[in-house]
Amino acid sequence: DAGVTQSPTHLIKTRGQQVTLRCSPKSGHDTVSWYQQALGQGPQFIFQYYEEEERQRGNFPDRFSGHQFPNYSSELNVNALLLGDSALYLCASNSRFTGELFFGEGSRLTVL
Amino acid sequence: GEDVEQSLFLSVREGDSSVINCTYTDSSSTYLYWYKQEPGAGLQLLTYIFSNMDMKQDQRLTVLLNKKDKHLSLRIADTQTGDSAIYFCAEGFDTGGFKTIFGAGTRLFVKA
Repeated sequence: DAGVTQSPTHLIKTRGQQVTLRCSPKSGHDTVSWYQQALGQGPQFIFQYYEEEERQRGNFPDRFSGHQFPNYSSELNVNALLLGDSALYLCASNSRFTGELFFGEGSRLTVL
Repeated sequence: GEDVEQSLFLSVREGDSSVINCTYTDSSSTYLYWYKQEPGAGLQLLTYIFSNMDMKQDQRLTVLLNKKDKHLSLRIADTQTGDSAIYFCAEGFDTGGFKTIFGAGTRLFVKA
């Protein structure tokens, strides 16, 4: 049973560029959420998708956007990258009917 | 607002019990979680408790919830060197959408 998978694992971008990160949820899960984890800090909630719609959003600017596809997979897009966007981006999935929230290994983004 | 606080460091000897503490401010959460993160890895779900429960035991792990004091603890019995990691406490809010608020993490050092 594959868990939450994310791609790419590492990437390097320059300021002003755009990035797309991808996530496939754990089998049987229909809800995906994204988190940003800066070095030495806890994960910060970005947003959550269910039924292809954004249902909850944290305190992140509009440069952060997402999408959920009919197969429940999801993308996180970040536009106009800033140095401060350098972080580990974590995807998590859960079923709407349980609280078990499982995380992927993350995508480490470095902005130069 | 929603805030989760944890002490930053804990050091124990191998074989002893570890107790990691967490306090939170928003009592409307549905779930309370403990996650483990090893260097360079994603978050591993250790256990979680419904906010209407007082205690949950799972093998070496015991979670205690004091709703009056908004205090959550994780006890690890017979701590091993492989338990050295960062432990995150988190609150899960299921209010139409689903979001999770994390603490900054407690780094556990286990001395042989």
